[in-house]
Amino acid sequence: QKEVEQNSGPLSVPEGAIASLNCTYSDRGSQSFFWYRQYSGKSPELIMFIYSNGDKEDGRFTAQLNKASQYVSLLIRDSQPSDSATYLCAVNVRSGGYNKLIFGAGTRLAVHP
Amino acid sequence: DAGVTQSPTHLIKTRGQQVTLRCSPKSGHDTVSWYQQALGQGPQFIFQYYEEEERQRGNFPDRFSGHQFPNYSSELNVNALLLGDSALYLCASSLRGGGYEQYFGPGTRLTVT
Repeated sequence: QKEVEQNSGPLSVPEGAIASLNCTYSDRGSQSFFWYRQYSGKSPELIMFIYSNGDKEDGRFTAQLNKASQYVSLLIRDSQPSDSATYLCAVNVRSGGYNKLIFGAGTRLAVHP
Repeated sequence: DAGVTQSPTHLIKTRGQQVTLRCSPKSGHDTVSWYQQALGQGPQFIFQYYEEEERQRGNFPDRFSGHQFPNYSSELNVNALLLGDSALYLCASSLRGGGYEQYFGPGTRLTVT
């Protein structure tokens, strides 16, 4: 079983709609969760992080975390064509007092006008 | 406030050669993590440097080695290059052993022919 799983997509949504991206993880000890956006040919850009169960909102983005279900999601409201990118879910895994990020393969989002 | 920088941007090497990639972390950060991202995949953790020592290592062979300097900058060295080493190499900086948000540099695109 992969440590972090995402639907590869593409997820296609019309402009102005809500895009919902999902991620599951296997390490129950994980405490920190991150969403990165990656445009084609570019490096990942951190857009959201969440540490506690529940919702965290930042502008058009909402991250949701359910540790009991080992599930993280990202909602993008009022989707714009500029949101078209690959969204990477990353989970912090702690070992020997230090932390590393384990990434999913990413979900490709396409927002069409 | 300078972000994470990496050099070079692109690199073409031949099988069997050696390569050195460089990274300067974001101002105020003291931890550098290196990732390899193959096409269509999420970043894979290579290793992490904090206080000039390798603190964690992913599932990569000893051909991959690194160093961190007193000014927190870091190098990634890859010996005996294989075709499969062709990838985007990403450096991420963070605070205190990677336990907080990690910010990526623009990456180095390595092509091995």
